[in-house]
Amino acid sequence: TQLLEQSPQFLSIQEGENLTVYCNSSSVFSSLQWYRQEPGEGPVLLVTVVTGGEVKKLKRLTFQFGDARKDSSLHITAAQPGDTGLYLCAGANTGNQFYFGTGTSLTVIP
Amino acid sequence: GAVVSQHPSRVICKSGTSVKIECRSLDFQATTMFWYRQFPKQSLMLMATSNEGSKATYEQGVEKDKFLINHASLTLSTLTVTSAHPEDSSFYICSARDGDRGYEQYFGPGTRLTVT
Repeated sequence: TQLLEQSPQFLSIQEGENLTVYCNSSSVFSSLQWYRQEPGEGPVLLVTVVTGGEVKKLKRLTFQFGDARKDSSLHITAAQPGDTGLYLCAGANTGNQFYFGTGTSLTVIP
Repeated sequence: GAVVSQHPSRVICKSGTSVKIECRSLDFQATTMFWYRQFPKQSLMLMATSNEGSKATYEQGVEKDKFLINHASLTLSTLTVTSAHPEDSSFYICSARDGDRGYEQYFGPGTRLTVT
């Protein structure tokens, strides 16, 4: 059972467009992380959110943790080809268990 | 900080042989290490969790006798794929967590295993 569902699964957009990736669950998490992974490499941590309703910004990326700490979103403004990659959310519960989302493969076309 | 290395980055082996993959935390002590398997454009599938000095906890469906995990020190964990078969070909990624830093996992660069 996949606890964290990401949508969309695949996304192909033109350079300069905006996009949002969603990470949803019926479970509550004590913290949630977003990672970006390029082909043939390991995931790289982008951000950790821990408070319900928290919003964090990382340059053109905006991350939000849902009020109930069950969901999260990643918004990218003015996407660039360098943003291409697999985006993964991951949630940790109070029992120290860690669950990855289903993944969103993003392609930004120049 | 929080650098994790994996060795080798790529390995090709013949069917029936065994392959060992190393995962090292370079600048912190990893109280817990995780091993994942990943297929192209898919998410990571957790195979097992290992704590230093104790037996690994395997996820359902993962054969512990086939995927041997050893976490002998706070900076090193190894995954040995025994009697490898072509269906074991995959991208294997380890991660490490420093319990003092919280829940974040720091990932190695992965190992591409091809079994011929």
